[in-house]
Amino acid sequence: NAGVTQTPKFRVLKTGQSMTLLCAQDMNHEYMYWYRQDPGMGLRLIHYSVGEGTTAKGEVPDGYNVSRLKKQNFLLGLESAAPSQTSVYFCASTPLGGDLYGYTFGSGTRLTVV
Amino acid sequence: EDQVTQSPEALRLQEGESSSLNCSYTVSGLRGLFWYRQDPGKGPEFLFTLYSAGEEKEKERLKATLTKKESFLHITAPKPEDSATYLCAVGDGGTSYGKLTFGQGTILTVHP
Repeated sequence: NAGVTQTPKFRVLKTGQSMTLLCAQDMNHEYMYWYRQDPGMGLRLIHYSVGEGTTAKGEVPDGYNVSRLKKQNFLLGLESAAPSQTSVYFCASTPLGGDLYGYTFGSGTRLTVV
Repeated sequence: EDQVTQSPEALRLQEGESSSLNCSYTVSGLRGLFWYRQDPGKGPEFLFTLYSAGEEKEKERLKATLTKKESFLHITAPKPEDSATYLCAVGDGGTSYGKLTFGQGTILTVHP
């Protein structure tokens, strides 16, 4: 049982480049989330999904897009990377409301934009 | 708006020196309070869920307690392998998507 798997684990981008971060979960969870974690800022919600085919904006969505075409996968896209998007990105999932069950997190993607 | 404040920001202990981490919270209606452990370069790992004041949970050297305003993570006779960042989070049921609000974390270092 792999849980939540994120790929890639590390990436360096040049300003203006695009990339997609992949999150896959094998727990049949309905809800999935993308967070970024920055020193002194804690975990901040970028986008979330409450089911296959649905997505919505979180607290810091600017510069990011997401898609959830399959229940097990949640993709985070950066269309034109900026240095301010240098961060560690975490995907999380939960069977229903995370406020009751908590989240299962992936191991993270460390992204550096130069 | 929910708020979660963890203290201290960093805690250095000697092996065997027991202590506590604090998580103070403000929510409209607590649905769940969660403790996570995060090792460097890894994602947060679930430790405990607490749902109501007076509740306690234990796991090895860790014990989590909950009041109406705060939660404590007690560490008894810590070992160097307990060194990690400990995150607290609260859910209030006020969103349709199960939002959790996280604290900044406490960095625990246990010296042998």
